[in-house]
This record gives sequence, C-alpha cells and structure tokens, in this order.
Amino acid sequence: AQRVTQPEKLLSVFKGAPVELKCNYSYSGSPELFWYVQYSRQRLQLLLRHISRESIKGFTADLNKGETSFHLKKPFAQEEDSAMYYCALSTSGTYKYIFGTGTRLKVLA
Amino acid sequence: GAGVSQSPSNKVTEKGKDVELRCDPISGHTALYWYRQSLGQGLEFLIYFQGNSAPDKSGLPSDRFSAERTGGSVSTLTIQRTQQEDSAVYLCASSLNPFGNTIYFGEGSWLTVV
Repeated sequence: AQRVTQPEKLLSVFKGAPVELKCNYSYSGSPELFWYVQYSRQRLQLLLRHISRESIKGFTADLNKGETSFHLKKPFAQEEDSAMYYCALSTSGTYKYIFGTGTRLKVLA
Repeated sequence: GAGVSQSPSNKVTEKGKDVELRCDPISGHTALYWYRQSLGQGLEFLIYFQGNSAPDKSGLPSDRFSAERTGGSVSTLTIQRTQQEDSAVYLCASSLNPFGNTIYFGEGSWLTVV
C-alpha cells in the first residue's frame, strides 16, 4: 500500500541553522511528490513539487528513488519558516493524494 | 472563485445531531477532495469527486458519513448522529484535474461535538 512517513512530529532549530524535514514514501510506481505548508492561521498551501525542481522560499527537495525519500531542506532557517509541513504523494493513474502526518518546524530566535 | 471556500468555519454541535459541511471549489476545477485533520494526526483522506461522481468513498470512516457534489461544483459532507470522535477539522480541496496537479485547500470547517 502507498504510504508517506514523516518520522519527526516536531523539529526545533535555531535561526540560521540548516533544516532538513524527512519524508519517506512507499510506492512501487512512478511517484509525484509534494511538500505542503500550513502557517499559523492560514490554509494549507503548496510549497513545492518535485517535478518543478524549483526552490521556494529557499527550500529545496530532491527525489531519491533509491532511498524512496523526498526530504525538504533549507540551508539557513528563518523564524518565518515556523509552520506545519506535510509531505504528499500522488500515484500514477489515480487521483489519490496521500499525506504524511506532518512535521511541526519551530525556528528559535 | 478566488479560492476554495468552506462553510461553516466553526461548528459546535451536540452528540447525536446531524451536521452538513459545505465546500465551494475553485471555478473550473473538476476534482474535489475531502480530508479530515484531527489533533496530532495527519490528513486523513475521506472521499474524492471527479465531476459529480465519487469513484472512491473508501476513506469515509463509517456509514454515518456521506458526501455529494452537484453541478460539478459545490460539495456537501454530511455527518449523521455525530459522535465526539468526529471532532476535527474537515478540509476540502480542489484541483484542475487529478494526478500530479496541485491541490488547493480551503480553510477548513472546525467541528466540535460536545
């Protein structure tokens, strides 16, 4: 069965420190992977998708099919990055988006 | 519309009562999703609509839950005989079409069953 695992419920880092939010997926086909973010009192919104291979707000994520991972990284965390981050998997030929349980990132001053 | 719109934003109901949650997707989006977000949990998939059809209702937690979509637009999620464990944020999302497209979320309907 398809699954997305985010092992960390909470990640606290100091401002300026590097950040890595882990995401592993389970899917035998060709995945489409996303990171969604929810800032305080805002709706869940797309941060980035692997197919775009872009950097948004300094965040990047690389799909590693060998390790079935799609970790989210940022070299220097900012306080405004504090939010809930969800990794999501969309599977070939279906509509279904499968979300992980989310990681709350807290960036400390 | 400018974004996915959900109503009510907050609902407190007594155990055993029925509730209806409404979702108005982005105009032109054929795919519509309902998710549930419980405290400390991830996003639990409930149901998906393509047009007015729901190919997959397998995520609905029990037969007390139902959903419909009319005119390829507005969707209603109905919970009958609510229970305390139904308390959660119910999120609606839409996308232009399925697979690989960005899904856009509403702000959610926060349901509290007392």
